[in-house]
Amino acid sequence: AQSVTQLGSHVSVSEGALVLLRCNYSSSVPPYLFWYVQYPNQGLQLLLKYTTGATLVKGINGFEAEFKKSETSFHLTKPSAHMSDAAEYFCAVSLNTNAGKSTFGDGTTLTVKP
Amino acid sequence: DVKVTQSSRYLVKRTGEKVFLECVQDMDHENMFWYRQDPGLGLRLIYFSYDVKMKEKGDIPEGYSVSREKKERFSLILESASTNQTSMYLCASSLMQALGFYEQYFGPGTRLTVT
Repeated sequence: AQSVTQLGSHVSVSEGALVLLRCNYSSSVPPYLFWYVQYPNQGLQLLLKYTTGATLVKGINGFEAEFKKSETSFHLTKPSAHMSDAAEYFCAVSLNTNAGKSTFGDGTTLTVKP
Repeated sequence: DVKVTQSSRYLVKRTGEKVFLECVQDMDHENMFWYRQDPGLGLRLIYFSYDVKMKEKGDIPEGYSVSREKKERFSLILESASTNQTSMYLCASSLMQALGFYEQYFGPGTRLTVT
């Protein structure tokens, strides 16, 4: 079984500031990890993913995330927030034993202040 | 580009009505999913299909059924809509898991209101 915890349902940053959205997971086998973004009135779209290999993964729109096995974490960062980053962000975990299903976190709403 | 389309963006139905939500994907994906999204609860899996006519219950299947007669189409059915089924419904698709795992592609969602 697997689970995902996103710390902080709402995060607010100023434009130009660092964005840090936290995700911790629990799984009994090596996980596959994803971050998705959802803009208002839209479906989710993939930001980045970790499957195997390099633990620092880069995604679209300047976002990146680092897989830290010892901390069971996959935090999402962006050095400088832009107004267009305001959205809801979901962390998800999947295992190679669960036939393609993912477990999603509850989501973090990012607000960017001018 | 992968495209997942859902039949309606907004839907208003009355309690007790039978409701059909349709989802179509154009990338020949094996897997298809139906989720409901509620504030503070994230995405919860209702049903999952890994092949035509194959389905598997997710975390919250009660009150729902599904149909997959063709590979590209996955329908969610509310047999008798109730007010607690008012929600955003998201459809997604992905390739079958093989040597790696493939991300899910989402439709724009259907916001269903049951009155």
